[in-house]
Amino acid sequence: DAGITQSPRYKITETGRQVTLMCHQTWSHSYMFWYRQDLGHGLRLIYYSAAADITDKGEVPDGYVVSRSKTENFPLTLESATRSQTSVYFCASSTPVLNEQFFGPGTRLTVL
Amino acid sequence: GNSVTQMEGPVTLSEEAFLTINCTYTATGYPSLFWYVQYPGEGLQLLLKATKADDKGSNKGFEATYRKETTSFHLEKGSVQVSDSAVYFCALSENGNSWGKLQFGAGTQVVVTP
Repeated sequence: DAGITQSPRYKITETGRQVTLMCHQTWSHSYMFWYRQDLGHGLRLIYYSAAADITDKGEVPDGYVVSRSKTENFPLTLESATRSQTSVYFCASSTPVLNEQFFGPGTRLTVL
Repeated sequence: GNSVTQMEGPVTLSEEAFLTINCTYTATGYPSLFWYVQYPGEGLQLLLKATKADDKGSNKGFEATYRKETTSFHLEKGSVQVSDSAVYFCALSENGNSWGKLQFGAGTQVVVTP
């Protein structure tokens, strides 16, 4: 399917486990982003990437790792999940040509 | 640093009522301003944007004017419908581009009843 997809849509895990959230876009957008959405905080940027093999920290990067070996994929890994990482995670992509960010449907992660 | 402040919700309205959601910002330079909408169970969608002072963004009956003197970007709609029930986010881009990093407000939930 064309667009931006995230998987899984829902995930329950336990404290200390490693979890990887996947993001895939079919538009070949150069920029990709990971946000987390928490009540009272809106969306906060975790990491972003300007191109393949180029990533940078956002506002709340601690406890997260990203990679971008291919333009279309931008996985987010929680190396040792904590309860404070329970959240809804959104991936987004953009390109200067369109001057707009496009968001995926989100992944709801619960850490027990 | 930059920040965006929105009025708290939920805002509950009857159909055909007038909607205003206040948004103020703090930023250096000349940011671009945006309103995004999130319908239940979905990701965010760009609703409208304004890139410089006094610009008015509009879409689907919603409007917002970039007011530099009051550092505000309030969202308005003259007659809401049940289908407008959603969470609305005000956001800014410090470099003026919506394809770069965005700073979001906390979001305002709007509930429109028949």
